[in-house]
Amino acid sequence: QQQVKQSPQSLIVQKGGIPIINCAYENTAFDYFPWYQQFPGKGPALLIAIRPDVSEKKEGRFTISFNKSAKQFSLHIMDSQPGDSATYFCAASYTGTASKLTFGTGTRLQVTL
Amino acid sequence: KAGVTQTPRYLIKTRGQQVTLSCSPISGHRSVSWYQQTPGQGLQFLFEYFSETQRNKGNFPGRFSGRQFSNSRSEMNVSTLELGDSALYLCASTQLRTSGTGELFFGEGSRLTVL
Repeated sequence: QQQVKQSPQSLIVQKGGIPIINCAYENTAFDYFPWYQQFPGKGPALLIAIRPDVSEKKEGRFTISFNKSAKQFSLHIMDSQPGDSATYFCAASYTGTASKLTFGTGTRLQVTL
Repeated sequence: KAGVTQTPRYLIKTRGQQVTLSCSPISGHRSVSWYQQTPGQGLQFLFEYFSETQRNKGNFPGRFSGRQFSNSRSEMNVSTLELGDSALYLCASTQLRTSGTGELFFGEGSRLTVL
């Protein structure tokens, strides 16, 4: 019940395309859903996060869509660039376990020219 | 402001040995957590320390332990190493004072290879 399922495992899009990464969770106690971006040789870095009281959040070219009833959330990257090529992880946690994130398995994104 | 610093960055050990990894959090951050990253299992939470006390713990055997010092620096130890312990060990810090939710700042990790 602690799992966060992420798909696809890998994704290749052309520059300017809109890659979409999906995640689903089971534990309804989760109330914080961040996305992390990781480049090779680096640690993950927070990209954007959402709480279940909103259905969408935008920060620059990155958008999270959240569907509480379906227990799903997704990341959209608008006008993707080669510099966006990285591994993306969705995650979830709940109040009382600040740093105990349950991560998805990751999506390796490649943006081609 | 300096980021999260982990040492050593790379190390090689043999089965049965023990290893200690170190993490210096961002100045002012009192919470330090540790994660194991492997290709097969992904990112898995090990434990979190806040004000020298373990606040949360993941589902790892007792061979994995940690501690935090009064200056918020943290160490994790793995005893009786197994081949499956080969992984990237990531440390993350956050400035939260209570068990809320917020941004974790990760270091670049310590890559452990067990032969």
